[in-house]
Amino acid sequence: GAGVSQTPSNKVTEKGKYVELRCDPISGHTALYWYRQSLGQGPEFLIYFQGTGAADDSGLPNDRFFAVRPEGSVSTLKIQRTERGDSAVYLCASSAYLDNEQFFGPGTRLTVL
Amino acid sequence: AQTVTQSQPEMSVQEAETVTLSCTYDTSENNYYLFWYKQPPSRQMILVIRQEAYKQQNATENRFSVNFQKAAKSFSLKISDSQLGDTAMYFCAFMKLGGGSEKLVFGKGTKLTVNP
Repeated sequence: GAGVSQTPSNKVTEKGKYVELRCDPISGHTALYWYRQSLGQGPEFLIYFQGTGAADDSGLPNDRFFAVRPEGSVSTLKIQRTERGDSAVYLCASSAYLDNEQFFGPGTRLTVL
Repeated sequence: AQTVTQSQPEMSVQEAETVTLSCTYDTSENNYYLFWYKQPPSRQMILVIRQEAYKQQNATENRFSVNFQKAAKSFSLKISDSQLGDTAMYFCAFMKLGGGSEKLVFGKGTKLTVNP
């Protein structure tokens, strides 16, 4: 079956612009996570969805970051007024209900010029 | 808050030999999981092995095994019969159970190179 997919694979934008990053989880997975991986670092948690609701958004760095999952499947991470410090790989992961294994997508590399 | 420390930024090993990657963590929780993930240049994080904290027996998956020392908060990964395809970044990760989100907390990673 298909794994977690993320689009685009790479995104280059200019400082101040708005970007959207998309994640398609494994079919049937109710839990969805976003992580951010800066160069030379491990991934850092951003937000967790169980179904359609954001159950934990404690990792979002500020109010420029927002994520939605309106139908409990695809999720979009939205970043307003991008800054150079937002440059990173954004990883999405999904897991089945009550299963602790998270399956990761290939990530979106965001570069803010 | 939980923290995960990987003290070896880079390691190398000869093909067919054994290598051990170190990981320590800090937590006051009793109910948690520990994981090792592999990240090749393709960026795709792949689960290598996981360990439930309540289990005393160390987890094994083919050539991969862990040494879990709960009291010392240590969780090392041993790779036996290293293969060229094992070359990748390896991340140790912690997951608290029952907290609602079960998010992963990662270390900074160890870059492993397997030499022919």
